[in-house]
Amino acid sequence: SQKIEQNSEALNIQEGKTATLTCNYTNYSPAYLQWYRQDPGRGPVFLLLIRENEKEKRKERLKVTFDTTLKQSLFHITASQPADSATYLCALDLLLTGGGNKLTFGTGTQLKVEL
Amino acid sequence: DGGITQSPKYLFRKEGQNVTLSCEQNLNHDAMYWYRQDPGQGLRLIYYSQIVNDFQKGDIAEGYSVSREKKESFPLTVTSAQKNPTAFYLCASSPLLTGSNNSPLHFGNGTRLTVT
Repeated sequence: SQKIEQNSEALNIQEGKTATLTCNYTNYSPAYLQWYRQDPGRGPVFLLLIRENEKEKRKERLKVTFDTTLKQSLFHITASQPADSATYLCALDLLLTGGGNKLTFGTGTQLKVEL
Repeated sequence: DGGITQSPKYLFRKEGQNVTLSCEQNLNHDAMYWYRQDPGQGLRLIYYSQIVNDFQKGDIAEGYSVSREKKESFPLTVTSAQKNPTAFYLCASSPLLTGSNNSPLHFGNGTRLTVT
């Protein structure tokens, strides 16, 4: 069956370090992958999108990699700050053989950046 | 400011009652979506609409209904047939249906529905 796995355990890191979050998937062939940030009691906010033919994408302190052989995306936040503390969701967009598409979300990983 | 407004933020209902959640967007987006979020689960798609007067069932449509009479509005009704209605409901929109041009989703800030 198709699965998207994000580490359900919270990731605690020290301010200034690089946070690395993982999104693994099985039995999918996504056309692209998106990362969102969600704060408690609020809706997710789009951060980055990476296509299947792209290895890496950067935006300010954020970097996303996409390895379609390993079926994995890594999301990095460099020089992390307490304000980066949130839950980060990955989402795969699949092109369906019958036409159309479907965006499927992982459960998210909670990141806590400590002083 | 452009965005998506969901109201109310918190909603309480008795079992057996239908309840309608509001979602309004002023982003001029064609596509709108309703997701449900439960602890420990990813967002699950309830319904989506590509255009006015058209909508499609998502993965968990049973017990829900929607309408799309205006481009800006996509209300969700949680009916008494929905067995586990207590959840955090998120409305989203995108310029076109996701996948058409890699459109990311813009989300509202959700409505937390509690049914007792």
